[in-house]
Amino acid sequence: EAGVTQFPSHSVIEKGQTVTLRCDPISGHDNLYWYRRVMGKEIKFLLHFVKESKQDESGMPNNRFLAERTGGTYSTLKVQPAELEDSGVYFCASSQVMGVGYTFGSGTRLTVV
Amino acid sequence: KQEVTQIPAALSVPEGENLVLNCSFTDSAIYNLQWFRQDPGKGLTSLLLIQSSQREQTSGRLNASLDKSSGRSTLYIAASQPGDSATYLCAVRRGSSASKIIFGSGTRLSIRP
Repeated sequence: EAGVTQFPSHSVIEKGQTVTLRCDPISGHDNLYWYRRVMGKEIKFLLHFVKESKQDESGMPNNRFLAERTGGTYSTLKVQPAELEDSGVYFCASSQVMGVGYTFGSGTRLTVV
Repeated sequence: KQEVTQIPAALSVPEGENLVLNCSFTDSAIYNLQWFRQDPGKGLTSLLLIQSSQREQTSGRLNASLDKSSGRSTLYIAASQPGDSATYLCAVRRGSSASKIIFGSGTRLSIRP
């Protein structure tokens, strides 16, 4: 079975630009999560989708971040406009049952310069 | 507010040694605790999950224990091998309806041949 796929694997953008990260979960996994790790800090939760609905978006840092999961398949996370403090690794994970059996993607390393 | 701490941040031991990684959490009201492994440039792989009612879980050379009342978990690795070199993270989930898991900052383990 294919794993969780994220792309791009790396992205370098200038402050003020827009970047869109994509996550393809494992087929059939209704639960999709976004996490991120900024330099020197812990991995932190951003939000959780159940199918196409946002179950919990309490971790989204501000309104520059927009996540979507149209049709309940792949998800995108857009950062607009990007700021220097947005640099880090963004992880996506999916699971069949909420909270267990996570499969994580390899992450997208975002660098804002 | 739940905080998860892992000490030490880095550990280097010779091959063949048994070792213990530590994880502590401030709020004992957890639903479960997981240990993950992350290899450089890769996603997180779940190693062991301990429900709050359990004391330990074992998988091969790995044994994880949980003392909920004291807010501690340990990951014991027996007969370490160079292939065990990775970053090990623990994460807790507050309740069965909680979307997010809260990570520690990890212990970077290096096994010297």
